[in-house]
Amino acid sequence: EIVMTQSPATLSVSPGERATLSCRTSQSVSSNLAWYQHKPGQAPRLLIYGASTRATGAPARFSGSGSGTEFTLTISSLQSEDFALYYCQQFHNWPLAFGGGTKVEIK
Amino acid sequence: EVQLVESGGGLVQPGGSLRLSCAASGFTFSKSWMSWVRQAPGKGLEWVANIKPDGGEQYYVDSVKGRFTISRDNAKSSLYLQLNSLRAEDTAVYYCARDVVVITAAHYFDYWGQGTLVTVSS
Repeated sequence: EIVMTQSPATLSVSPGERATLSCRTSQSVSSNLAWYQHKPGQAPRLLIYGASTRATGAPARFSGSGSGTEFTLTISSLQSEDFALYYCQQFHNWPLAFGGGTKVEIK
Repeated sequence: EVQLVESGGGLVQPGGSLRLSCAASGFTFSKSWMSWVRQAPGKGLEWVANIKPDGGEQYYVDSVKGRFTISRDNAKSSLYLQLNSLRAEDTAVYYCARDVVVITAAHYFDYWGQGTLVTVSS
């Protein structure tokens, strides 16, 4: 079973600043990684799949990078609507697994 | 527009049962793998189960095997999750989601519902 570790648990950022979120997997998942945004009371939203491909409708300020065991989600210039929880998910092996999440909050 | 709307959550005693439903619209449901994903209070997301488009194959996380059953009715564009022998640790918001299948066993989720809360408590 692949273990997913996201860091930091909480990231305090000012609007307009850059945010960098990390996801590490316990073994290689190649590029089989997705990122989701989740706001309380709402449906999670797919942002990135294949480690670096933006999903339909995801703003260009969101970008993903990495392969193997180390991955990064970057939000280039934080907007008010970007303050939320972010999860990574590996789809390389069963069971499908999510990271514990990073909360991006207003500084 | 793709819509997934869950229902059926509620308060149930330990050992009890509940049936969750997910009504799908805006896409060809009968051609889509579908999943249930849950989020316990203060915890991250956990994939629970998924089902092949024709309903012929189902897969579960170990912690729910033998207790939960995923099923679907393609004529009604509906997904179900039967929860039996419920435990306190099953308390969570349950989301239905549409799978994107990259290759066999490589699934991520492109659409999600807003979830339904299941609380297991005496």
